[in-house]
Amino acid sequence: DTEVTQTPKHLVMGMTNKKSLKCEQHMGHRAMYWYKQKAKKPPELMFVYSYEKLSINESVPSRFSPECPNSSLLNLHLHALQPEDSALYLCASSQGRVSYEQYFGPGTRLTVT
Amino acid sequence: GQSLEQPSEVTAVEGAIVQINCTYQTSGFYGLSWYQQHDGGAPTFLSYNGLDGLEETGRFSSFLSRSDSYGYLLLQELQMKDSASYFCAVKDRDDKIIFGKGTRLHILP
Repeated sequence: DTEVTQTPKHLVMGMTNKKSLKCEQHMGHRAMYWYKQKAKKPPELMFVYSYEKLSINESVPSRFSPECPNSSLLNLHLHALQPEDSALYLCASSQGRVSYEQYFGPGTRLTVT
Repeated sequence: GQSLEQPSEVTAVEGAIVQINCTYQTSGFYGLSWYQQHDGGAPTFLSYNGLDGLEETGRFSSFLSRSDSYGYLLLQELQMKDSASYFCAVKDRDDKIIFGKGTRLHILP
């Protein structure tokens, strides 16, 4: 199984809502990532988890809160988002933090109204 | 800091060969990767060069010259399905992958 799954595929939320994005992989990878991607732009790294511990936070606003309940799951909790947070949110995993090959999920298309 | 430069768009004809160049400036270098992303899809890993030279994977090849801080992705026997965005990416000393701005490849029949 070389797949990273993400739910939901699409999400529309108001600025006062609380929602969560979910990511799952069963490849035994020990590093997991959240990226944000705007249209016609490259993915921008948000968070890195290594062995279920947060190892990198790229100065992401606190309205984004990551969580890694176990080695297969990664969540991104959203609260009080702004319209400019509308983007494609991609989850990825790799064997370890030093691995150069990342496997990406299909992403969640988020619209903040 | 890190910066990667690649052309924003390239157009080629079906069946032809196209080369997408990437130059980089990094504080420490830990390899150059290439990813493909179709519209509405997720990035997919294509290749990695850690050392100088050419790596070949089917119709795709990737080259690296560390002394020139330069690499390229070569796509042969172009097919319409190769129409996508291609990102070069480097790993920094914190093991973060930094993506270039991407090259949109248009294929004409």
